[in-house]
Amino acid sequence: QSVLTQPPSVSGAPGRRVTISCTGTSSNIGAGYDVHWYQQFPGTAPKVVMYDNSNRPSGVPDRFSGSKSGTSASLAITGLQAEDEADYYCQSYDRSLGGWVFGGGTKLTVL
Amino acid sequence: EEQLVESGGGLVKPGGSLRLSCEASGFTLSGYSLNWVRQTPGKGLEWVSSISASSSYIHYADSVKGRFTISRDGAKSSLQMNRLRVEDTAVYFCARVGGELRPFDLWGQGTLVTVSS
Repeated sequence: QSVLTQPPSVSGAPGRRVTISCTGTSSNIGAGYDVHWYQQFPGTAPKVVMYDNSNRPSGVPDRFSGSKSGTSASLAITGLQAEDEADYYCQSYDRSLGGWVFGGGTKLTVL
Repeated sequence: EEQLVESGGGLVKPGGSLRLSCEASGFTLSGYSLNWVRQTPGKGLEWVSSISASSSYIHYADSVKGRFTISRDGAKSSLQMNRLRVEDTAVYFCARVGGELRPFDLWGQGTLVTVSS
């Protein structure tokens, strides 16, 4: 059971928009800690695609956007492409646990 | 090219020990905090431990506290894993952090630890 809650899977047709939610508590996201998002392809290491809630690292397409409100955050991908099919994880800091916490991951399928 | 490379994984019996290493190349590791994150086959990510650039701040997940010890020396970080359990079986990644509460911006390729009798 992950501290941050994500839907196990989302899907969308090419060109469409999907959002992945990440729900936390008053000890992590709700306490004001930023949320980072990672993309992971099978057999590879995760790669950050969004940091500090809504900032894109260089090289990440502007089709990716992020937001945060209250105890939740979300990652949106517009203009879905086959290459976006991957697992996505949210991450934040938890002050009660005194360490980093991750969501359980969301598998994005491009139909 | 900036890289982190893990080594030391393998098969170990429950109750045994293993030492993982994470070596940096292409950048100076001493300026960064280092984290270990594990991923159970087919499952999600779990943060394991972190060590600050100066080694002054060290933290562990409750699941490994008292059994795992993180350290660093120059261009390397190590994770000493004692009293291993079946549930410690996972791919272990080391990951670099550029500052307090910053994202993990560089990851190694991971090393597999299998705890089984």
